[in-house]
Amino acid sequence: DAKTTQPNSMESNEEEPVHLPCNHSTISGTDYIHWYRQLPSQGPEYVIHGLTSNVNNRMASLAIAEDRKSSTLILHRATLRDAAVYYCILRRQGAQKLVFGQGTRLTINP
Amino acid sequence: DAGITQSPRHKVTETGTPVTLRCHQTENHRYMYWYRQDPGHGLRLIHYSYGVKDTDKGEVSDGYSVSRSKTEDFLLTLESATSSQTSVYFCAISQEPATGEGYTFGSGTRLTVV
Repeated sequence: DAKTTQPNSMESNEEEPVHLPCNHSTISGTDYIHWYRQLPSQGPEYVIHGLTSNVNNRMASLAIAEDRKSSTLILHRATLRDAAVYYCILRRQGAQKLVFGQGTRLTINP
Repeated sequence: DAGITQSPRHKVTETGTPVTLRCHQTENHRYMYWYRQDPGHGLRLIHYSYGVKDTDKGEVSDGYSVSRSKTEDFLLTLESATSSQTSVYFCAISQEPATGEGYTFGSGTRLTVV
């Protein structure tokens, strides 16, 4: 399985944009890039996923580099509720399993 | 919330006793998963199911068994609980992997083995 590398922690301020990076230099052509987050004392929550093109949904945007070796999850206007651990995961098309890494712990300052 | 519930939410049990955790879904998804989460290890896959009576092992399956007799229920059994199985257990459901769609997770079961 291709691996991802994320910073252990990041900090941002409320109402500011947050850019969470993820490196995946060994990504294959059929690997989807998934992002999940886990709020304190809750199960992981699906945020967004993409293959090649940038993606937007109500929670966030996903910017994928042209060579697909890195991606960035963008929270456009962080709130205190966005404080969580964010996981960047590669999931091969057709793969039955999702493998989690350590993620990035995001702290939002009021 | 999403149609996935775990029971019980909390359990304390004694070493050596069998324990069964239940995951129930109302989404009719084919795939179901059991993960455990421990400090320093993140989420690790225990077992998963890709249909009724079809299951496979994950990365930390020793000491655990699973059963899926109906689409909606996936049971995780600790055959003889040990203190190393104290953890938070999460169930997840998924549609067909080919779609690349995301998983939905339950709220977790906190298990303490004393």
